[in-house]
Amino acid sequence: ETGVTQSPTHLIKTRGQQVTLRCSSQSGHNTVSWYQQALGQGPQFIFQYYREEENGRGNFPPRFSGLQFPNYSSELNVNALELDDSALYLCASSLYPTQPQHFGDGTRLSIL
Amino acid sequence: GIQVEQSPPDLILQEGANSTLRCNFSDSVNNLQWFHQNPWGQLINLFYIPSGTKQNGRLSATTVATERYSLLYISSSQTTDSGVYFCAVQQGAQKLVFGQGTRLTINP
Repeated sequence: ETGVTQSPTHLIKTRGQQVTLRCSSQSGHNTVSWYQQALGQGPQFIFQYYREEENGRGNFPPRFSGLQFPNYSSELNVNALELDDSALYLCASSLYPTQPQHFGDGTRLSIL
Repeated sequence: GIQVEQSPPDLILQEGANSTLRCNFSDSVNNLQWFHQNPWGQLINLFYIPSGTKQNGRLSATTVATERYSLLYISSSQTTDSGVYFCAVQQGAQKLVFGQGTRLTINP
């Protein structure tokens, strides 16, 4: 059984650029959630996708967007990067939205 | 929204000691998970425990849903147990809400 995989593992960008992070869900899972974890904090919910539709969104601006593909993999896009976007971005998949979430190893994004 | 509080924020122990980590939450939940985040940032599932008691080796967890708290027990600590332990809860079918974590340091 393949777990949740994220790419890339590390990324360095400058202010104003755009970035795309990718996530492959665990086999059989149709729900993907994205979280942002700033240094020293717990993860914060960005949004969730269930069967290719957005199924809830946290308190993040519209420049954070995403999508889910028919194979249930997902992308997180962030436009107009700001210094405060520097964080660990975690993707989690679950069998259904109410089921336990399993996390990937994250993408560490640094904004210069 | 729901509030999740973990205690203590920091815990330093010698190898072989036992520890208890606590998670309080402010409303009823349908999902509660405990995670261990290692120094490399990997978030490892420990327990899915919306109620009751579960054990996995040296770790066990108990959730008393009616009183809105959960406990994580670690026995005979090892240096590899070091890291941050997170409790996270879910209401309905969307986000997990995380506590601020307990940073555990196990010294040899």
